[in-house]
Amino acid sequence: GNSVTQMEGPVTLSEEAFLTINCTYTATGYPSLFWYVQYPGEGLQLLLKATKADDKGSNKGFEATYRKETTSFHLEKGSVQVSDSAVYFCALKENTGFQKLVFGTGTRLLVSP
Amino acid sequence: EAGVAQSPRYKIIEKRQSVAFWCNPISGHATLYWYQQILGQGPKLLIQFQNNGVVDDSQLPKDRFSAERLKGVDSTLKIQPAKLEDSAVYLCASCWGARMGTDTQYFGPGTRLTVL
Repeated sequence: GNSVTQMEGPVTLSEEAFLTINCTYTATGYPSLFWYVQYPGEGLQLLLKATKADDKGSNKGFEATYRKETTSFHLEKGSVQVSDSAVYFCALKENTGFQKLVFGTGTRLLVSP
Repeated sequence: EAGVAQSPRYKIIEKRQSVAFWCNPISGHATLYWYQQILGQGPKLLIQFQNNGVVDDSQLPKDRFSAERLKGVDSTLKIQPAKLEDSAVYLCASCWGARMGTDTQYFGPGTRLTVL
């Protein structure tokens, strides 16, 4: 079945450091790919998405590129802030059948001043 | 636009008791989802509704879990009887219509259930 694999956390960085959170997927067909963020005490929020190969999703300084050849969708940010501390979830959405979201296990990011 | 509403936010019960969670999706959203998120894991889909019909309940433990979406708007998820392993956050999400390939799911704040 479809699945998503994320790097384990926590990822601990100092403010203004470069961030990469790896995400790879296994899917039949051509899924859409998402990054969701969960701030402490809050629900999941969509951060960015990409719907086809080579698409780049971006939002709030975060970027991720849909790489079909490596089945990856790594999340990057050039300069993290303390306010970026949260749990980040990579997910895929099947574009056939029921089109359900399949999530990775999440990666906690901790940014210190 | 108001977001997805869920209640209660927190619930503590003893094993073998019953519990119910409520979700009010974003107005006009035809598709509604219930997810279970166990601590340290990603959300797992329990059930998906399209209007008031069930589209996918293949991962719902039907011996103890049930869900309904009367009139195609609000939804209720029930657990009866609860087990210790049901301790999790229960998330509700909605979108305009699942058949739109790039449709975005919007999540509520979740209900944190603790079973003692």
